[in-house]
Amino acid sequence: GQQVMQIPQYQHVQEGEDFTTYCNSSTTLSNIQWYKQRPGGHPVFLIQLVKSGEVKKQKRLTFQFGEAKKNSSLHITATQTTDVGTYFCAVSRYGNKLVFGAGTILRVKS
Amino acid sequence: DVKVTQSSRYLVKRTGEKVFLECVQDMDHENMFWYRQDPGLGLRLIYFSYDVKMKEKGDIPEGYSVSREKKERFSLILESASTNQTSMYLCASSLSPGATNEKLFFGSGTQLSVL
Repeated sequence: GQQVMQIPQYQHVQEGEDFTTYCNSSTTLSNIQWYKQRPGGHPVFLIQLVKSGEVKKQKRLTFQFGEAKKNSSLHITATQTTDVGTYFCAVSRYGNKLVFGAGTILRVKS
Repeated sequence: DVKVTQSSRYLVKRTGEKVFLECVQDMDHENMFWYRQDPGLGLRLIYFSYDVKMKEKGDIPEGYSVSREKKERFSLILESASTNQTSMYLCASSLSPGATNEKLFFGSGTQLSVL
């Protein structure tokens, strides 16, 4: 089974509203990656978090890794229509195998 | 930029047929992966390979096999296709074996329908 729970499964926001997706693990993670998949596209790497409590920003996107390294979040400030897609977290297991969360589908109403 | 190419974007096969999905990467990556993507289930790992002729089972290998005869090419084989193998298949590659933090580069995917 999957090693990470990702919530929510789906979110529909008004353009300009904020959006957050969460990944939670029952075990301590070595690192976590985030990917974005546009509708009809393939997953594209966004970022990797490694350190406890780490916070990284990419323009309107803020990524956090929990202090216990068991959870992570992706927050988008003031969503735009270009943000639509599915956001996945992924964690390493048994070396170089990546296990993906189920993904959060984001839809933005303009 | 890394390019991962999957041979077909859409494929329709009949139950019982043998199906080959091909994937080629052009950046000399050691690791290659096959995932299937289904709504609500995310990406599930079928098989991966960290070197030529080496393979390891992922989470859902049943009904599938793989072949890696050359470093750049990783093939997924459905020996006898079944309707529950209708899915989007994604190939991916990453740079080096043994590293736990290598990002994946994905191909565009193959939408397989088994009738």
